[in-house]
Amino acid sequence: AQSVTQLGSHVSVSEGALVLLRCNYSSSVPPYLFWYVQYPNKGLQLLLKYTSAATLVKGINGFEAEFKKSETSFHLTKPSAHMSDAAEYFCAVILGGTYKYIFGTGTRLKVLA
Amino acid sequence: GAGVSQTPSNKVTEKGKYVELRCDPISGHTALYWYRQSLGQGPEFLIYFQGTGAADDSGLPNDRFFAVRPEGSVSTLKIQRTERGDSAVYLCASSLSGTSSTGELFFGEGSRLTVL
Repeated sequence: AQSVTQLGSHVSVSEGALVLLRCNYSSSVPPYLFWYVQYPNKGLQLLLKYTSAATLVKGINGFEAEFKKSETSFHLTKPSAHMSDAAEYFCAVILGGTYKYIFGTGTRLKVLA
Repeated sequence: GAGVSQTPSNKVTEKGKYVELRCDPISGHTALYWYRQSLGQGPEFLIYFQGTGAADDSGLPNDRFFAVRPEGSVSTLKIQRTERGDSAVYLCASSLSGTSSTGELFFGEGSRLTVL
């Protein structure tokens, strides 16, 4: 069965610093992968998705993620953190042709002034 | 509205009571999902509707939980004889078609249930 593991439940970075949020997946076949963001008291919003096209995926708000099959990873990065990036980020996986999204436990990003 | 709407946003109830949580998906979205998010956890799948039918209810924890979508639009999650362990945020999401597995899920803001 597929699953995702997010390393680090809490990550703190300084404003302007690199953001790196880690996600590793477990799947017997190539999956589709997603990053969602959840701002306080808001619904989850799609940041970006990998669906077997380009391995480097660009999303909204300057975020991007790279699918690395050899490392079974889909880490989320942003070159320069902004205060407005403070939120909880969830990695999710789904197998092609199915509908059941499996979410990681989330990483709460804190941006320090 | 343009997004997924969930009501109530907050519900406090006593152990043993019956609760209904409502989800109004984006117009035209045939697929509807319910997820449960406990504190410190990611969303956990409960049930998936394609149209009016529950295509997969394997995530419902027990028979106290039930969900309906009688007209293929609004859905109601029903919890009988609530227990303190049911306290969580219940998330509803919709998408254009559940069979399009690369499709984006659109989430509501959730209904926070607290069972005292």
